[in-house]
Amino acid sequence: AQSVSQHNHHVILSEAASLELGCNYSYGGTVNLFWYVQYPGQHLQLLLKYFSGDPLVKGIKGFEAEFIKSKFSFNLRKPSVQWSDTAEYFCAVNAGNFNKFYFGSGTKLNVKP
Amino acid sequence: ETGVTQSPTHLIKTRGQQVTLRCSSQSGHNTVSWYQQALGQGPQFIFQYYREEENGRGNFPPRFSGLQFPNYSSELNVNALELDDSALYLCASSSMDRSNTEAFFGQGTRLTVV
Repeated sequence: AQSVSQHNHHVILSEAASLELGCNYSYGGTVNLFWYVQYPGQHLQLLLKYFSGDPLVKGIKGFEAEFIKSKFSFNLRKPSVQWSDTAEYFCAVNAGNFNKFYFGSGTKLNVKP
Repeated sequence: ETGVTQSPTHLIKTRGQQVTLRCSSQSGHNTVSWYQQALGQGPQFIFQYYREEENGRGNFPPRFSGLQFPNYSSELNVNALELDDSALYLCASSSMDRSNTEAFFGQGTRLTVV
């Protein structure tokens, strides 16, 4: 069975600090990888996705993620966070049937102004 | 806005009761997936409907059932509610007819079972 692990459950940063959130998945085949963000009271929104090609993908709001196949990882990064980035971040994987997602448990990011 | 709407937004039910949650998919999408997000957890896949047929199911008991209608909207039904069914229920809309498309999530229905 597929699984997704997010190592950081709660991260607190000051504005302008750099961010890296870890995500590892377990699946031996071809996968599609996603990062979603959930702002308080809002729906899940797609930050970025990887299907194939360049393993460094850029998303909205200055976020990027790097797919490292040998490490089964898809870490999310942002060079300089803002207070408005305060939210919960979910890594997700699907494989085969591309519309069935397996989500990590989420990382709550709290950015202090 | 994603174009995916769910109703109701909040619901309180008593243990043992039945509940129906609704989802309207985005225009042009023919696939609806349902997820359960318990407090402090990531969403867990319940099942998926494609062209009115169930197309895969997660590790949920049969008292979780669903429907998809000709207009691709969908319902999630839960019978014999248990306290642990309290969660945010998310609907995701997508298209199986195009490769590499993303899914769009609704805002969810917050179900509380007392």
